[in-house]
This record gives sequence, structure tokens and C-alpha cells, in this order.
Amino acid sequence: QVQLVESGGGVVQPGRSLRLSCVASGFTFGSFAIHWVRQAPGKGLEWVALTSYDGKNKYYGDSVKGRFIISRDNSKNTLYLQMNSLGPEDTAVYYCARGRYYDSGSFYIDYWGQGTLVTVSS
Amino acid sequence: IQMAQSPSSLSASVGDRVTITCRASQDISNYLAWFQQKPGKAPKSLIYAASTLQSGVPSRFSGSGSETDFTLTISSLQPEDFATYYCQQYNTYPFTFGPGTKVDIK
Repeated sequence: QVQLVESGGGVVQPGRSLRLSCVASGFTFGSFAIHWVRQAPGKGLEWVALTSYDGKNKYYGDSVKGRFIISRDNSKNTLYLQMNSLGPEDTAVYYCARGRYYDSGSFYIDYWGQGTLVTVSS
Repeated sequence: IQMAQSPSSLSASVGDRVTITCRASQDISNYLAWFQQKPGKAPKSLIYAASTLQSGVPSRFSGSGSETDFTLTISSLQPEDFATYYCQQYNTYPFTFGPGTKVDIK
């Protein structure tokens, strides 16, 4: 069955960096786009980023553009999110989610990981 | 693209018919998904392409709409359906979610 397992969350000081990982299993990882979505405590869902199946196309939400970098290693079935210049507003549970191709370079979410918590605090 | 949902919360009883509305700030065709989230859990995908059920989703869930106006309907609310529901557009980057609708027990 499809599984996505995030890791790398924890407590980090403002201004520092952190890298999240998402290991996939149960499907051909290199054939699917993958999203990152986050959720601040008690708040709604916020779309963060997406990478195409081959890593060549990447898209970001406005609040993370220029600070976060999404990447993937298809040989390791692993997705990454490099988060730089972190601020308290980045405190959230971060989910990776599989993207199914829909049309014209668009991808909807079908499966979600369980999430990893990032807390930005001094 | 901004997404709005109404109501923000509702109280309903088991067996009730429930309808949640999602509105996009511009035409998104049918590039609309719905998700269910229970407290402390990851979201679950329910519907994509505005009206297509994800595999394994009960048929009491249905979606409709196009362009800017969409609805999620639960035909007969079950105890396991009490949750928060989110819509999301995937027509234009950056993709955006609605603020959510919490469905709780009356």
C-alpha cells in the first residue's frame, strides 16, 4: 500500500535552517509529483510546494518562496524540503502528499503522510 | 486564487443531509479537490475534479460545481463523518486551500 513517512521535524531557533525528508513506498516514486502541505497549530491547511516526477519543475507558495527548496532523490524514494531563514510563522505540521497528474501540468493529492512537527522558537 | 468556504462550522445529527459550499475567486474549471480531516490526524482525500470520488470513499459523499462555485454533500451523515472539510484548487500555482468547515454533533 502507498506509504509516505515524514521525518526531520523538531525545535529550531528563528533564522536557522532545517531539512525535512519524506520516504515513499508502495508505489513507483519516480513516476509521481509530490506536494508539501503544512498546518499551523489550530489552523487550516496551507500548500507549500510541489516537485514534478523528475524534479525538473518546482512550484512554491508565496509565503515560502525564496526560503524553502523542494527536491527529490528518486534513487532513494525520498523527497526533501530544505527550509531556510525560519521564523515563528513556519511553526506547523508538515505533510508530504502524492500528486496525481490531472491536466496541463496540474496535480491533485490522493495520499498523505502522517506529518512531522516543526517548531520555530528561541 | 482565493478560496472561501461556507459555513465555517455547522452542527448536524446522524442521518442529516449536509452541504458545504466552496467558492473560488476566479474560474478554476473543475480543478477542485475536497479533503476530510479529523483532530490530530492527517487529511484524507475525498474528491478530485470537483465530483470524482477517490478510491474507497463512501458513496454518501458527492461533489458538484464548476468555474467558481462548488459543493460537497454528505447525503446521510454518519458518526465517522464528524470532521473538518477543506476544499483546494489545483488550477493555478500556488495551489490554495479554503479555510475549512467544521462539522460537529448537534
